[in-house]
Amino acid sequence: AQTVTQSQPEMSVQEAETVTLSCTYDTSESDYYLFWYKQPPSRQMILVIRQEAYKQQNATENRFSVNFQKAAKSFSLKISDSQLGDAAMYFCAYWGGTSYGKLTFGQGTILTVHP
Amino acid sequence: EAQVTQNPRYLITVTGKKLTVTCSQNMNHEYMSWYRQDPGLGLRQIYYSMNVEVTDKGDVPEGYKVSRKEKRNFPLILESPSPNQTSLYFCASSRAGGANVLTFGAGSRLTVL
Repeated sequence: AQTVTQSQPEMSVQEAETVTLSCTYDTSESDYYLFWYKQPPSRQMILVIRQEAYKQQNATENRFSVNFQKAAKSFSLKISDSQLGDAAMYFCAYWGGTSYGKLTFGQGTILTVHP
Repeated sequence: EAQVTQNPRYLITVTGKKLTVTCSQNMNHEYMSWYRQDPGLGLRQIYYSMNVEVTDKGDVPEGYKVSRKEKRNFPLILESPSPNQTSLYFCASSRAGGANVLTFGAGSRLTVL
């Protein structure tokens, strides 16, 4: 079974600084997707970014970018120019081709942004 | 507005009293799924459905049932709730499988005494 591990239960960053959240996963698949979801205090789950494993290029969405290392099975999220609104729980998630329909989440990282 | 609607949003119940958490989406999505969120464990998949009348177990299906009789609805049934099912529950949907972006409901906070 696939597993997703977020080893940082909590992280903090100063406003306008950069922070990186870590995620590693275990899989024998070659074709899969990885996601970062954000959960603010409202509890609403919001997609931050998506990466397709067969694409070499790291995904980017405005201030959010990933460092996808397929061989190392690592998928970290970098938040640049952090804003107070970035404070939330962040979840890494994996979807694998042969496990069609099964989506595996990591444990989550709580990000605090200090003004 | 495209959305996934869950009800109830909050519920306190007692052990053994059957309950149903409803989930409805208005986006004509084929795929729907249920998750539970617990501190330190992240979200864990309970059941999912690829289309009408097609359901399958996720990672933590014990104690839960689902049905998919209509495309828009995917209720989660707890036949005999127990305290270890106290959790935050999310329903989600997407066009075709988890590879596509999920739209989540607002969550249902369930407490079983």
